[in-house]
Amino acid sequence: DAGVIQSPRHEVTEMGQEVTLRCKPISGHDYLFWYRQTMMRGLELLIYFNNNVPIDDSGMPEDRFSAKMPNASFSTLKIQPSEPRDSAVYFCASSFRGAGLSGANVLTFGAGSRLTVL
Amino acid sequence: QQPVQSPQAVILREGEDAVINCSSSKALYSVHWYRQKHGEAPVFLMILLKGGEQKGHEKISASFNEKKQQSSLYLTASQLSYSGTYFCGTDVRARTYKYLFGTGTRLKVLA
Repeated sequence: DAGVIQSPRHEVTEMGQEVTLRCKPISGHDYLFWYRQTMMRGLELLIYFNNNVPIDDSGMPEDRFSAKMPNASFSTLKIQPSEPRDSAVYFCASSFRGAGLSGANVLTFGAGSRLTVL
Repeated sequence: QQPVQSPQAVILREGEDAVINCSSSKALYSVHWYRQKHGEAPVFLMILLKGGEQKGHEKISASFNEKKQQSSLYLTASQLSYSGTYFCGTDVRARTYKYLFGTGTRLKVLA
């Protein structure tokens, strides 16, 4: 398996522009998480999905942020309009509720998308 | 709600030991430890389930006290390759698997 695949790896955009980040989870995984990482806040959980259904989006900072998972193999995180304070590394991670570990949730991360908003 | 880790940063010499603590205000089902190298994604190290168990990975081990909602990561005889940021990940089962990370501990091992 190629692991969790994120694109783009780097994005530089100007304030006010729309940004779309993409994620392909590991095949067979039933959970998908979006995290934002900054020096100040560490790894923040933005939203997570179970079987393509959004379960908790309480970490999404504002209405400018939205996420979708139209099928089991693809998810997007969109920021519209973008602002300089959105600059961060955005990670997508997926996991499978393994019965052998009593349903423990071990995450596999993508390489991340580094976003810079000027 | 985010688990709190201590210390925030540690500097060691090769061969020295370190302990990283993770504390949660919520009841935990399990605790996971991850290590992130600079510019890379976090990588899973080990998982601890309820029951106070202790696990090991190379010369890195961890414990989990579910009553105190705490976990500790023990690095013995540290190597240069141990440098990075360590995160505890906690599985807080509300309706389903809400997975939060600790504040992180930056570890630097010097030759």
